[in-house]
Amino acid sequence: DAGITQSPRHKVTETGTPVTLRCHQTENHRYMYWYRQDPGHGLRLIHYSYGVKDTDKGEVSDGYSVSRSKTEDFLLTLESATSSQTSVYFCAISEDSPNTGETQYFGPGTRLLVL
Amino acid sequence: AQKVTQAQTEISVVEKEDVTLDCVYETRDTTYYLFWYKQPPSGELVFLIRRNSFDEQNEISGRYSWNFQKSTSSFNFTITASQVVDSAVYFCALSFISNFGNEKLTFGTGTRLTIIP
Repeated sequence: DAGITQSPRHKVTETGTPVTLRCHQTENHRYMYWYRQDPGHGLRLIHYSYGVKDTDKGEVSDGYSVSRSKTEDFLLTLESATSSQTSVYFCAISEDSPNTGETQYFGPGTRLLVL
Repeated sequence: AQKVTQAQTEISVVEKEDVTLDCVYETRDTTYYLFWYKQPPSGELVFLIRRNSFDEQNEISGRYSWNFQKSTSSFNFTITASQVVDSAVYFCALSFISNFGNEKLTFGTGTRLTIIP
């Protein structure tokens, strides 16, 4: 299994508060991704990183920001959490390899509840 | 724009029956990859298969098999002799290349498969 951890695994917060989720990898993979999973929507890409300090928006980026100051860590910040951001958040990593191409491997997820 | 449709929201079958999960995709790219992921009740996402758009050969891995048909833009997944451990949500996904050269994924909404003992 790819070495990916997410912290916290569960969080309850109040509307209007800032929240930061952390994704940490030990695989030295170049690419990292944040998704959210909601019923009826599958997984949707929030932001991704194609290198240290290099990030770009996904399809549902409003209300989220990210940072990647080193290869192993990719942070997702909700500047001012809203109830619509209640979701399960997954981090994924990938690297272009001869055997598996850029297959994305996922972390265990973070369950966030915004009250 | 890329799109993945998994029309079957939920499927229930009795153990040992065969079951096929459908996946239909839309893309204008000539080179792309298709994926299946499994999400068991414990919640993690498990990679099952990655298939190149130029490789239409069917693939078999134990009780799992995949049928890729470019003519119908489908990438269906069959489980033979289903077992209770196959109960999970299964996601089909389609890759496309970002402006920065890496692959991004578009996921279907998933099919919840329940195997009844």
